[in-house]
Amino acid sequence: NAGVTQTPKFRILKIGQSMTLQCTQDMNHNYMYWYRQDPGMGLKLIYYSVGAGITDKGEVPNGYNVSRSTTEDFPLRLELAAPSQTSVYFCASSYARDRTGYFGPGTRLTVT
Amino acid sequence: DQQVKQNSPSLSVQEGRISILNCDYTNSMFDYFLWYKKYPAEGPTFLISISSIKDKNEDGRFTVFLNKSAKHLSLHIVPSQPGDSAVYFCAAGGLTGGGNKLTFGTGTQLKVEL
Repeated sequence: NAGVTQTPKFRILKIGQSMTLQCTQDMNHNYMYWYRQDPGMGLKLIYYSVGAGITDKGEVPNGYNVSRSTTEDFPLRLELAAPSQTSVYFCASSYARDRTGYFGPGTRLTVT
Repeated sequence: DQQVKQNSPSLSVQEGRISILNCDYTNSMFDYFLWYKKYPAEGPTFLISISSIKDKNEDGRFTVFLNKSAKHLSLHIVPSQPGDSAVYFCAAGGLTGGGNKLTFGTGTQLKVEL
C-alpha cells in the first residue's frame, strides 16, 4: 500500500492564480481531511469528508474548496491564491471507527 | 482560542534519559488523545493514543498519561534515542462533531543529544 499520496510536493503561485492539490489514499478509508500548517503553529483543519459525495468545513475553510467523487481521492482547490495561503498542506485519512489519522507527506505552497 | 496547548516549543534531553512532553486541553468534550511525531519534510506519523476511560497507555518506550481532572496529558519516552529527535504534536478528538476530527497543539521540538 502506498498509503496517502499528495502531489505536487512543492509549488509557487502568483497572487490570484488557481491550483488543485491532489490527495489519494489506497486504504479504503471513509474519512479524509485537509490540514494546513503555518510556521510555529499546529495543524488546522480546512475541510473534511466522511465519504464520497459528503464534505464539510473545518476550522479554516475560507479560500478553499473540496470535492469527494470517489473514496480514494480528495482534491483541494485554491481559486484565487493569496499570500495568507502560503503554508504546508497535509492530507490525511482514517477509518470511520478508528480515530488515528494517516498523513501524506505534504505540499509546500508559496504564494507571492 | 487554542483548545490544545503545548507550552514548551522545544526540549533537549540526553540520550538514555527520559523525555517528558506535555499537553493541556480546555475542551471537556475531548475523549480521545493522540501523539504524532513529525520529521522535517514528512507528514506526521501516529505514535500512541489514549482514550479518556484510561489514565495510562504504554507501547514499548512510549507511555502516555492522562489526567482528566487537570485536562493534562504527557508523553514519556524512555530511554530517549537520537532517532527520537523530531517535532511531537499532541492532538485531541471527541464529541465535537462528526468525522473523527482532530484538534492539534502547536508542537514540541525534541532534540536528543549524544
